[in-house]
Amino acid sequence: GIQVEQSPPDLILQEGANSTLRCNFSDSVNNLQWFHQNPWGQLINLFYIPSGTKQNGRLSATTVATERYSLLYISSSQTTDSGVYFCAVLYNAGGTSYGKLTFGQGTILTVHP
Amino acid sequence: SQTIHQWPATLVQPVGSPLSLECTVEGTSNPNLYWYRQAAGRGLQLLFYSVGIGQISSEVPQNLSASRPQDRQFILSSKKLLLSDSGFYLCASSRLNTEAFFGQGTRLTVV
Repeated sequence: GIQVEQSPPDLILQEGANSTLRCNFSDSVNNLQWFHQNPWGQLINLFYIPSGTKQNGRLSATTVATERYSLLYISSSQTTDSGVYFCAVLYNAGGTSYGKLTFGQGTILTVHP
Repeated sequence: SQTIHQWPATLVQPVGSPLSLECTVEGTSNPNLYWYRQAAGRGLQLLFYSVGIGQISSEVPQNLSASRPQDRQFILSSKKLLLSDSGFYLCASSRLNTEAFFGQGTRLTVV
């Protein structure tokens, strides 16, 4: 199956710093999503970004599908940004018409005041 | 967008007891439905997915089963729980190959 690798595994920042999280995937995908898992475990949708660049406030994401990677940028980080960030890709398994959403192992972000 | 309802939020069950977790979806029809488990640590493991009523695909051999009795209802079950079944269970829904949405999850502790 497809491999999804996220880096770095852990990231510690001071409030106000900027950061870049990376997601590499091993095969062509139908789409890609970024999630933030809050302290209660809920997965919050950040971006649905099969290709191109999107921005939402202090967060932005870029996916270069031809080179099989995506980047999540966090600017002016805040303590509330802490948590786990996941990349997940959707690809067709075995040529069927449905997709399997496969997750990377996540990046644990800690933002100190 | 879709709304995914999962219950219960937390559950403590003895070893050997049965399990039934329910997930229902609002705001879409004929979705792809998924059950994931997140053990201690960080990764989400895909357990089951379904593309339609009665159509279930299992990703890993395990003590669990899934059923889809209605278009927007997905149930995760076990006849006899094991300690290793403890974890955080998440249900997800996506329409065709578009954006997926998750429920709030069920934290299961088997004692």
